[in-house]
Amino acid sequence: KAGVTQTPRYLIKTRGQQVTLSCSPISGHRSVSWYQQTPGQGLQFLFEYFSETQRNKGNFPGRFSGRQFSNSRSEMNVSTLELGDSALYLCASSFLGGGQDTQYFGPGTRLTVL
Amino acid sequence: SQQGEEDPQALSIQEGENATMNCSYKTSINNLQWYRQNSGRGLVHLILIRSNEREKHSGRLRVTLDTSKKSSSLLITASRAADTASYFCATAETSGSRLTFGEGTQLTVNP
Repeated sequence: KAGVTQTPRYLIKTRGQQVTLSCSPISGHRSVSWYQQTPGQGLQFLFEYFSETQRNKGNFPGRFSGRQFSNSRSEMNVSTLELGDSALYLCASSFLGGGQDTQYFGPGTRLTVL
Repeated sequence: SQQGEEDPQALSIQEGENATMNCSYKTSINNLQWYRQNSGRGLVHLILIRSNEREKHSGRLRVTLDTSKKSSSLLITASRAADTASYFCATAETSGSRLTFGEGTQLTVNP
């Protein structure tokens, strides 16, 4: 069974630009969660999508948005990038979602904002 | 703020020794999970322990959960250099619908 994949793996953008990250979950998983990891703030929950609906959202500004498609693939978008958005963005998929079962993480997308 | 707090923040041991990491949390939970992260990579799931369980084993890993003290511990026995990584606990609250991660313990196993 293929694992969770994320594209691209590395990204360099400048302030003010926008970016879209993609996540393909494990086949059969309907839940996709996104996390931001930085040295200062650690792992922070962004949002979770389940069957194309956003089920839960973390404490991030509206510049961070996402969506999920009918094949469970998910995208995350960050608009008007700021220097502080530089981070490792991780997505995770699971069958039940909501933290109720094991989450399987992708390798992450390393975003650098200059 | 982080739900889980790991202790210690960093641990350095010799190969063959045991490593113990602790996690404390604040609210009622449905389950607690431990993950490992090698430098800058994705997280790998280690063990999930539910609130009605007290202990679980997986290979060289042993996890305990004490819901009365709101704490958990991860024991790695006979450690290897390949165990060098960051270890995170994550809690799933009974009232919430997400995993909340602690700040992690950086384990270094010296050959």
